[in-house]
Amino acid sequence: DTAVSQTPKYLVTQMGNDKSIKCEQNLGHDTMYWYKQDSKKFLKIMFSYNNKELIINETVPNRFSPKSPDKAHLNLHINSLELGDSAVYFCASSFLGLPSTDTQYFGPGTRLTVL
Amino acid sequence: TQLLEQSPQFLSIQEGENLTVYCNSSSVFSSLQWYRQEPGEGPVLLVTVVTGGEVKKLKRLTFQFGDARKDSSLHITAAQPGDTGLYLCAGAWDSGGGADGLTFGKGTHLIIQP
Repeated sequence: DTAVSQTPKYLVTQMGNDKSIKCEQNLGHDTMYWYKQDSKKFLKIMFSYNNKELIINETVPNRFSPKSPDKAHLNLHINSLELGDSAVYFCASSFLGLPSTDTQYFGPGTRLTVL
Repeated sequence: TQLLEQSPQFLSIQEGENLTVYCNSSSVFSSLQWYRQEPGEGPVLLVTVVTGGEVKKLKRLTFQFGDARKDSSLHITAAQPGDTGLYLCAGAWDSGGGADGLTFGKGTHLIIQP
């Protein structure tokens, strides 16, 4: 009964390829997020979705596109992968999207390696 | 852009010692959260502090939010090897539009040696 799950756990691919990472939450939360954690463990928000609407879009390359088929899923599609995209990507969800009152639950992460 | 500075970045101490980790910012946050992350896993929330001057205790861990809501500290008493991990502070602000992300500090890598 995993709360936030991500697939795949590991992803190794060549530069220039297109890949997707899937995220699902079974908590009934309204808001989902994507974070990127670099090799120095710095965690940075990329996107968030609230009821299928993009609320935050940080200054990430437009090669990254979040897609939410329903409020339980937020997938991350990456086009034309670059070496600098190598990182661990975390999906998270929260009930209302208000961190002062909500808890964000993180998935186990997807380690992306671009060769 | 809100920034959070965490210190120290690395800390290795002996079991039984006390330690304090600091999280500082020039910005005022609506709330500040502390997370712990184990290798190969996602961060797990330890505590959220909301009110300036607030102090929360979680067993041997004491969390404090600064009066001006710009800084926070995590104090661990009698550290145990099981406390080893990456500790992250994260600031949040409720813009009213919902779905606000967290601004994370760069983390403190804590190692407690038996």
